[in-house]
Amino acid sequence: GQQLNQSPQSMFIQEGEDVSMNCTSSSIFNTWLWYKQDPGEGPVLLIALYKAGELTSNGRLTAQFGITRKDSFLNISASIPSDVGIYFCAGRNAGGTSYGKLTFGQGTILTVHP
Amino acid sequence: GAGVSQSPSNKVTEKGKDVELRCDPISGHTALYWYRQSLGQGLEFLIYFQGNSAPDKSGLPSDRFSAERTGGSVSTLTIQRTQQEDSAVYLCASSLSGQGIGYTFGSGTRLTVV
Repeated sequence: GQQLNQSPQSMFIQEGEDVSMNCTSSSIFNTWLWYKQDPGEGPVLLIALYKAGELTSNGRLTAQFGITRKDSFLNISASIPSDVGIYFCAGRNAGGTSYGKLTFGQGTILTVHP
Repeated sequence: GAGVSQSPSNKVTEKGKDVELRCDPISGHTALYWYRQSLGQGLEFLIYFQGNSAPDKSGLPSDRFSAERTGGSVSTLTIQRTQQEDSAVYLCASSLSGQGIGYTFGSGTRLTVV
């Protein structure tokens, strides 16, 4: 099946630092999504990307849809303690009978030291 | 309700017993998804319901797993003859349509098989 490789697996940073994480895929997706999961909760959507090359921001978060449609990255600027959590990338294929099904990366565990 | 509700939030069961996990999606959402999250892993797709269409069961790991959605609303995921490797957090999500973008996840059911 499809695989999404997400890196790094974990990050330990100081408050105020910038963070970057990325996902690569063995196949093409037509939509890339980034989610954040807090402990004991389900993932929450941060950013959705719909076009190759698209660069989208949401506050301190910036994400890009790779031009090859096989990769995406997420940047967090000026990290704060509440950024702590697990960040997942997810990709969605175009069309087909499982139009809504998402393939998720393994997650990046982010720890922010005050 | 306002969000996706899952019950129970925690379930401990003995190996070999059957379990049922329940998901109440957001009212009016036609698409419903089940994912499994093992410790330190990403989300693994299990099954997807979209309206009255036949569900996509391609992610169910074995015939011990089944799911149904009654009346286009509540869904139950059943695991028969549970095994220790079934221990995981089972997440349900719903979306307004089958586009996979506006997913809202529940908080999950943490299943522990002892």
